[in-house]
Amino acid sequence: GENVEQHPSTLSVQEGDSAVIKCTYSDSASNYFPWYKQELGKRPQLIIDIRSNVGEKKDQRIAVTLNKTAKHFSLHITETQPEDSAVYFCAANPRGSQGNLIFGKGTKLSVKP
Amino acid sequence: SAVISQKPSRDICQRGTSLTIQCQVDSQVTMMFWYRQQPGQSLTLIATANQGSEATYESGFVIDKFPISRPNLTFSTLTVSNLSPEDSSIYLCSSSTGNVYEQYFGPGTRLTVT
Repeated sequence: GENVEQHPSTLSVQEGDSAVIKCTYSDSASNYFPWYKQELGKRPQLIIDIRSNVGEKKDQRIAVTLNKTAKHFSLHITETQPEDSAVYFCAANPRGSQGNLIFGKGTKLSVKP
Repeated sequence: SAVISQKPSRDICQRGTSLTIQCQVDSQVTMMFWYRQQPGQSLTLIATANQGSEATYESGFVIDKFPISRPNLTFSTLTVSNLSPEDSSIYLCSSSTGNVYEQYFGPGTRLTVT
C-alpha cells in the first residue's frame, strides 16, 4: 500500500527565512498531493495542493513542487512569520483514489521572531 | 469549502462504554471520512462513509469496533465501541465537496477513556 515519508520531523527557522519540508510516496498511482497546516488544538487546514499533471504551484508565500519520477514533493514557505509556526502534514491519495488520503508523520515548524 | 461541525467537541468516557460522534456538513457531499489522530501523531483514516452503502474500513479498523452510519448526504456518525484507554484520541470527520479531491476537516472530538 501507499507509504508517505515526511522530513524533517522538526524545523526551526528565523523569521524571514525560508522553510522547506519534503515528502516521498511509494504508490505511482497517487495523483493528488495536499498539504495541511495544523495549529495546536485546531483542525488541519488545507493550505495548498498539487496534482500529478503539474510540476509546481504557488500561492503567495507558499509553493509546492512535485517530481513524479522521483516520487517526491516539497512544501516551500518563503519569508516565514511567527504565525507560520504549526505542524504541517503532507498526504497522498493511494491508488489515485478520490478522497482517501495517507498522511505523513508531520513536521513541527517553529519560526523564531 | 463546506462548513463541517462535530458533536461532542470532547468527552470523558469509562472503559467498556461507547461514544457516538456526530458529523454535520452544511451542504450535500458524496463522500465523508473518519480519521483518528492520537496525541502528537499524524492522521489515520478509519473508514470512508458513502451514503446508501456500507462504510469501507481501512486495514486495522473493523465495523464491530467502529460502526458508522450515513443516513443522508449531510450527516454521519462514528461510534467507538467497548472503549479502552488506547482509544483516547481525537476523532475527525472530513468531506469532499465539489472538487472531489480536496478534503476539509471538522473541528474534531477529543475522547478520553478512563
